[in-house]
Amino acid sequence: RKEVEQDPGPFNVPEGATVAFNCTYSNSASQSFFWYRQDCRKEPKLLMSVYSSGNEDGRFTAQLNRASQYISLLIRDSKLSDSATYLCVVNPPGGADGLTFGKGTHLIIQP
Amino acid sequence: GAVVSQHPSWVICKSGTSVKIECRSLDFQATTMFWYRQFPKQSLMLMATSNEGSKATYEQGVEKDKFLINHASLTLSTLTVTSAHPEDSSFYICSARAGRGARETQYFGPGTRLLVL
Repeated sequence: RKEVEQDPGPFNVPEGATVAFNCTYSNSASQSFFWYRQDCRKEPKLLMSVYSSGNEDGRFTAQLNRASQYISLLIRDSKLSDSATYLCVVNPPGGADGLTFGKGTHLIIQP
Repeated sequence: GAVVSQHPSWVICKSGTSVKIECRSLDFQATTMFWYRQFPKQSLMLMATSNEGSKATYEQGVEKDKFLINHASLTLSTLTVTSAHPEDSSFYICSARAGRGARETQYFGPGTRLLVL
């Protein structure tokens, strides 16, 4: 079983719509969770951390369900500039290791 | 956010050449940096953890004699791909750890594209 699994998409969504994607992780002892955004041929950039209580940053809402071991990202009022690959990222237990990345979900916002 | 730089941004070299990539944290000190590799349409894969003042920790399947890592200061880690071959062509990205506890995350450099002919 893969450590972090995501639906690769692509998700084709009209501008202004709301889109959500989930990710599941296998290690129940994982400590922290993030969503990163990666544009084509660029490095990943931190979009937001995911906290147990859920958190919101503008149009973006992230939630964590530890019991089911999944993380979600909701994007409201999507913009053309939201088109990118969204990486679900998990920090394994111990804290000394590098992050574990999902393969990413490709999002295309259409005008 | 924290800034991490990488140099060079791209390299084209002949097979057998050694290539050195630098990763710098520009506005913070990073005792730990990480080196990742990403092949086309694949996820980032951790290669090694670079610790300032000590030996790097390599992931399974990554040859430590092939990918030499030096973390000589709190702001600089280098990755040297020795005797590069075409199969080493990839996107190499470093990251530096920032923050503490639950707020800890990693900031990535812009990456280095390596093409070995």
